[in-house]
Amino acid sequence: DSGVTQTPKHLITATGQRVTLRCSPRSGDLSVYWYQQSLDQGLQFLIHYYNGEERAKGNILERFSAQQFPDLHSELNLSSLELGDSALYFCASSVEGGDRGLKETQYFGPGTRLLVL
Amino acid sequence: AQKVTQAQTEISVVEKEDVTLDCVYETRDTTYYLFWYKQPPSGELVFLIRRNSFDEQNEISGRYSWNFQKSTSSFNFTITASQVVDSAVYFCALTLSYNTDKLIFGTGTRLQVFP
Repeated sequence: DSGVTQTPKHLITATGQRVTLRCSPRSGDLSVYWYQQSLDQGLQFLIHYYNGEERAKGNILERFSAQQFPDLHSELNLSSLELGDSALYFCASSVEGGDRGLKETQYFGPGTRLLVL
Repeated sequence: AQKVTQAQTEISVVEKEDVTLDCVYETRDTTYYLFWYKQPPSGELVFLIRRNSFDEQNEISGRYSWNFQKSTSSFNFTITASQVVDSAVYFCALTLSYNTDKLIFGTGTRLQVFP
């Protein structure tokens, strides 16, 4: 158990809908990262938050957005869902990540498996 | 550009065999970090090891060992006396020191260990 929690574990929804994925980082970790794992794209970085601020964006669609709250939990919002959004979405956390010179290990949650029908 | 290549898509071995998973990375930066993660059939990503570019010392942890060679840009992972529980997809990943904190993953190697 990495200490990172994600809810829900599974999510089935229809095209055009909107869903919210939730992540709680390990105790003491300030950084939260979101990744998408799909069969065709592999594991792709989406976005990084550090202590409530967005730090870096990767291949995140405009239909997707995220935020990190004062209690450090994070939510990934996916809207206008398409079939191709079906994937395993991981959240990871690390202690640092605010200072670009420090690279701590990212610990991953169990993931949310999203199926868009 | 930065890239991680895991050329072995799938490896099958019989229990107690040794197996090496290859990882080749590309980066022009002199400071970077390399990782291995394990993804068992249950789906979670489990951290195995982290290595920075200034530490080329090989590491051994139980049946696991890692061989980091900057000269060939490789960070290979060996499992000695494999067990059925080692069956999983293994990912090698790279992150840079100065740029974003994103992990750049390879495509993974699926290891199947048969009894």
